[in-house]
Amino acid sequence: DIQMTQSPSTLSASVGDRVTITCRASQSISMWLAWFQQKPGKAPKLLIYKASTLESGVPSRFSGSGSGTEFTLTISSLQPEDFATYYCQQYNNYSTFGQGTKVEIK
Amino acid sequence: QVQLVQSGSEVKKPGASVKVSCKASGYTFTDYLMHWVRQAPGQGLEWMGRINLNAGSIHYAQKFQGRVSMTRDTSTSTVYMELSSLRSEDTAVYYCARVYSAYASPPDYWGQGTLVIVSS
Repeated sequence: DIQMTQSPSTLSASVGDRVTITCRASQSISMWLAWFQQKPGKAPKLLIYKASTLESGVPSRFSGSGSGTEFTLTISSLQPEDFATYYCQQYNNYSTFGQGTKVEIK
Repeated sequence: QVQLVQSGSEVKKPGASVKVSCKASGYTFTDYLMHWVRQAPGQGLEWMGRINLNAGSIHYAQKFQGRVSMTRDTSTSTVYMELSSLRSEDTAVYYCARVYSAYASPPDYWGQGTLVIVSS
């Protein structure tokens, strides 16, 4: 099975900050990586797929990059509604999620 | 509009089984796969498996092999996930999520989640 490792587990930031979350795969997954945002009590929301393609309706302050085994999610200027938990997911070989990164208010 | 509507919360005793349903609407049911993902309280997302809604083929995560069963009813556009031999660690919110079947895709729509509590 492919393992996904996110870092950091928790990130403290302020409104307006640039935030970067990293996701590493235990083997190459090409570009088959997605990023999700989840708020308490809600289902995850798709932000980015194929490593860098923004889902329709997602603000352009979100961006993704990477291929192979190393990927990043960047929020260029953190907004109040962005405080949430973020998950990466590989879908190269069935599916695996990272353990999540909680973005909290500094 | 696309909707995935799941069945309501369940409370089960250890050793029992639970069957969660996910009714799809607003799109062509058989063009998609349905994945099941669970989330224990305060924990991350855990992929359980998926079913091809056209062919009916299934793949379960190794952790759940032998304990989980996923089925679909194309006449009602409903997918079912049954988990047996429940233990307290199975207490979680269970989500269904659709995935386009024609090429590699992530889940784009999710159900609202079904809370399953396992307690004696």
